[in-house]
Amino acid sequence: LAKTTQPISMDSYEGQEVNITCSHNNIATNDYITWYQQFPSQGPRFIIQGYKTKVTNEVASLFIPADRKSSTLSLPRVSLSDTAVYYCLVGEGYNKLIFGAGTRLAVHP
Amino acid sequence: GAGVSQTPSNKVTEKGKYVELRCDPISGHTALYWYRQSLGQGPEFLIYFQGTGAADDSGLPNDRFFAVRPEGSVSTLKIQRTERGDSAVYLCASSPGTVHEQYFGPGTRLTVT
Repeated sequence: LAKTTQPISMDSYEGQEVNITCSHNNIATNDYITWYQQFPSQGPRFIIQGYKTKVTNEVASLFIPADRKSSTLSLPRVSLSDTAVYYCLVGEGYNKLIFGAGTRLAVHP
Repeated sequence: GAGVSQTPSNKVTEKGKYVELRCDPISGHTALYWYRQSLGQGPEFLIYFQGTGAADDSGLPNDRFFAVRPEGSVSTLKIQRTERGDSAVYLCASSPGTVHEQYFGPGTRLTVT
């Protein structure tokens, strides 16, 4: 399974756009890129998933370059409630998820 | 509708005791997963059920850990002879089986003293 590398932590302020980049150099042809969000004392929550180019939903956008060796999760105009841990996962997605340590995002007033 | 539920929310037990953790998946979800999360780390896969059978139990750390899903719905994770290193949050997730998104429960915090 492809390994992912993402920053340990990030800081931002309310109203700013936050971009979290994940590196996955060994991504396989059948792998999808998925991002989960986790608040304290809760289970992870699915945010977005993509295979290539750009995916957008009501919560975030996911940018994937042509070589698919990295991806960027973009959160527009963050609020205090976006403070959480964000996990980048790579895999076929039909069974187990392999989580790394994630990126701890802190949004400040 | 109702999400994934887990009981108990907290469990404190003494070293050497046996514990059972329960997971109620979303109705109709055929796939069920167990993960374990230690403080400051991401969830770690334990076992995956498709229907009643364990499709992948490669994440179970040793033979003290066992999980069942006898009727293809509720699942129970069983830990024998608990050790202090078993202390963690145990997360359950379910999915319809053919999609990538997993729906997680709130977890059971297990503390072994």
